[in-house]
Amino acid sequence: GAVVSQHPSRVICKSGTSVKIECRSLDFQATTMFWYRQFPKQSLMLMATSNEGSKATYEQGVEKDKFLINHASLTLSTLTVTSAHPEDSSFYICSVPLWQETQYFGPGTRLLVL
Amino acid sequence: QKEVEQDPGPLSVPEGAIVSLNCTYSNSAFQYFMWYRQYSRKGPELLMYTYSSGNKEDGRFTAQVDKSSKYISLFIRDSQPSDSATYLCASNFGNEKLTFGTGTRLTIIP
Repeated sequence: GAVVSQHPSRVICKSGTSVKIECRSLDFQATTMFWYRQFPKQSLMLMATSNEGSKATYEQGVEKDKFLINHASLTLSTLTVTSAHPEDSSFYICSVPLWQETQYFGPGTRLLVL
Repeated sequence: QKEVEQDPGPLSVPEGAIVSLNCTYSNSAFQYFMWYRQYSRKGPELLMYTYSSGNKEDGRFTAQVDKSSKYISLFIRDSQPSDSATYLCASNFGNEKLTFGTGTRLTIIP
């Protein structure tokens, strides 16, 4: 069964609005979660590391004020795309690490900004 | 040079054939090696992961790691149309962050 869930699976919004994406770890507690972005026919690009109880760590080139991450509990991390624009349209995927060996990914959220 | 190199394909093989997918990596400090399968518009699904060199088998899938040559392989026996997907190899140092290959698009022809 699924280890990681994401909600919503798909969202369409108008330019300038904010969108929140939830990532839940279903099988175990996670002090760390990861957020990725994937463009069509490309590999995953790590955006940030979500840390329970502390600030997220963003990868170089990722705007922390645009992509707000909150890790509210050991099973929930949220990614908010603020003032979304068409160029933010993408496939957003979260993951939960298994110890430090590998990661389980969520089903992804497809964002379309009109 | 990317740390993990993977032939993007596309790769098409007839149903029932053995599929060989490969990656090379440059950082000898990598410890864990994994293969993910990703269907279109879905998140990656963990197929297998291994620690250091050796083989690991799970049903029709076999993962091989050769640390001496920095080579990672995934073999799929008796390939099925449902195996058609993008396959991503990945590695890490044992510090949670993964380094991915670009992915290989595989099509199994009925």
